[in-house]
Amino acid sequence: DTGVSQDPRHKITKRGQNVTFRCDPISEHNRLYWYRQTLGQGPEFLTYFQNEAQLEKSRLLSDRFSAERPKGSFSTLEIQRTEQGDSAMYLCASSFLSNTIYFGEGSWLTVV
Amino acid sequence: GESVGLHLPTLSVQEGDNSIINCAYSNSASDYFIWYKQESGKGPQFIIDIRSNMDKRQGQRVTVLLNKTVKHLSLQIAATQPGDSAVYFCAEKDSGGYQKVTFGTGTKLQVIP
Repeated sequence: DTGVSQDPRHKITKRGQNVTFRCDPISEHNRLYWYRQTLGQGPEFLTYFQNEAQLEKSRLLSDRFSAERPKGSFSTLEIQRTEQGDSAMYLCASSFLSNTIYFGEGSWLTVV
Repeated sequence: GESVGLHLPTLSVQEGDNSIINCAYSNSASDYFIWYKQESGKGPQFIIDIRSNMDKRQGQRVTVLLNKTVKHLSLQIAATQPGDSAVYFCAEKDSGGYQKVTFGTGTKLQVIP
């Protein structure tokens, strides 16, 4: 499968712990996006990279959230001091320039 | 219409009939529109897209219509099958250089066998 890959698919963590999600985009896609989705809602944009540069950040991305794409390939999204409100599915997507944006299967986070 | 919280608009269609899912957008500056299908527990799956210089685009069993005058987008699915049951989202991208795609309220499609 050469689609967008996300890991882990499911994560249960205690409130206050840090979690990190990894995304491997489709090969040669230079743009990478992170979204968050809660039950019954559409995905909400968090941030976007072109190669290794983080070019857009949503106001949803509080200072507890940090995303990196150090070599312009895979990306990580870290959430520090998790809160129950962070429980959601975190989606990664990639595209080549302004072409079609393809999503991964998401990483489910449950904060207990 | 608008949905609140967990109450997605739902469209129930008999297997074999055609489905039409509608979407209203508000940003006049949007120049690229996409329809995604999302099955339970999975990520959104690309179906079809259309740029603002077009008013119709066809794919396999799907057609997207764009009416920029009234800011309306629709997805038509021909000969709806049980495998089409999912939540469908329209999404739009601003022409102003921002790359984020903004999703609308989803519509749940239920196919009755």
